[in-house]
Amino acid sequence: DAKTTQPNSMESNEEEPVHLPCNHSTISGTDYIHWYRQLPSQGPEYVIHGLTSNVNNRMASLAIAEDRKSSTLILHRATLRDAAVYYCILSSTNAGKSTFGDGTTLTVKP
Amino acid sequence: DVKVTQSSRYLVKRTGEKVFLECVQDMDHENMFWYRQDPGLGLRLIYFSYDVKMKEKGDIPEGYSVSREKKERFSLILESASTNQTSMYLCASRRVASGANVLTFGAGSRLTVL
Repeated sequence: DAKTTQPNSMESNEEEPVHLPCNHSTISGTDYIHWYRQLPSQGPEYVIHGLTSNVNNRMASLAIAEDRKSSTLILHRATLRDAAVYYCILSSTNAGKSTFGDGTTLTVKP
Repeated sequence: DVKVTQSSRYLVKRTGEKVFLECVQDMDHENMFWYRQDPGLGLRLIYFSYDVKMKEKGDIPEGYSVSREKKERFSLILESASTNQTSMYLCASRRVASGANVLTFGAGSRLTVL
């Protein structure tokens, strides 16, 4: 499985943008980039995904590098409720097993 | 609203007991997964199932088995629980379709083995 690398932790101030990076240098052409987040005492929840183009939804934006070897999850205005562990994973279109890394723990300061 | 339901949020068992963790999804998803989550180790895949009666080992299958007799239910079995299996267990499901194959997780089952 292709692996992802994320920083262990990041901090942000409330109402400021947050850019969470992810490296996936061994990504294959059939791999989608997925982001999930896990709030305290809950299971992970889906945030956003993309293949080649940048993506926006109501939760976040996903910026994908042109060579697809890295991506960035963008929270436009962080709130205290965005404090969570954020996971970047690769998911193949042939739907094999999905492997998670350690994720990035985001702390949002008021 | 799509749902993955794990039968127990908290369990306490004794060493050597047989433990069943049940997971049910109501979305007619083909794939189902069991992960365990420990501090500092992230989510590690124990087993996954492509479809009914089909299973494949994940990264840490030792000490665990699974059962998928019906599409909606995926059970994780600890034949003889040990203290090093104290952990948070997370079940997930996924529809197999052309495209992104998004995972939907349950709330988790925290198992303590004494």
